[in-house]
Amino acid sequence: EDKVVQSPLSLVVHEGDTVTLNCSYEVTNFRSLLWYKQEKKAPTFLFMLTSSGIEKKSGRLSSILDKKELFSILNITATQTGDSAIYLCAVGGAGSYQLTFGKGTKLSVIP
Amino acid sequence: ETGVTQSPTHLIKTRGQQVTLRCSSQSGHNTVSWYQQALGQGPQFIFQYYREEENGRGNFPPRFSGLQFPNYSSELNVNALELDDSALYLCASSLDPRDPEGQFFGPGTRLTVL
Repeated sequence: EDKVVQSPLSLVVHEGDTVTLNCSYEVTNFRSLLWYKQEKKAPTFLFMLTSSGIEKKSGRLSSILDKKELFSILNITATQTGDSAIYLCAVGGAGSYQLTFGKGTKLSVIP
Repeated sequence: ETGVTQSPTHLIKTRGQQVTLRCSSQSGHNTVSWYQQALGQGPQFIFQYYREEENGRGNFPPRFSGLQFPNYSSELNVNALELDDSALYLCASSLDPRDPEGQFFGPGTRLTVL
């Protein structure tokens, strides 16, 4: 059974801080690892990491994948209050129709 | 291009009742997946519909059932509601059933079972 564990489960930081969110996984025939941001309801896509793309960056957000150690991190630099959200990590396995999600990390950025 | 829409936004039911949730897929998307997200948990895969047939199912009992219509919209039905069914139900659509990475999520339906 595929498994995703995220840590920490919650985090409170001040604006301007840098945060690192962790995601470890076990999946049969790894195909992809995805990060989503969930502010109110619909998760919105941030990054997808695969065997051929183990590092992604977009503005203040970046993510890396370590396929040997089976984990990924999501970094957010110079955090803003608008970064407050739940960050979800999910994995997809080859031949699978579904994504397996972790419980998420709830990030709160205070002014 | 319209995104994924779901209705209703919120719903309150009592134990033992039945509920139907609806989802309209993004324009051009023929695959719909349903997820249940309990409070403090990540989304859990319920099932996927492709070409009006169930195409894959997670670890949910048969009282969770669904339909997909020719226009690719979908319904999730839950019979004999239990308190633990209280959750946010997310629908996601994609162009291909083998591409869950390409799915777009709807805003969800918040179901409360009393």
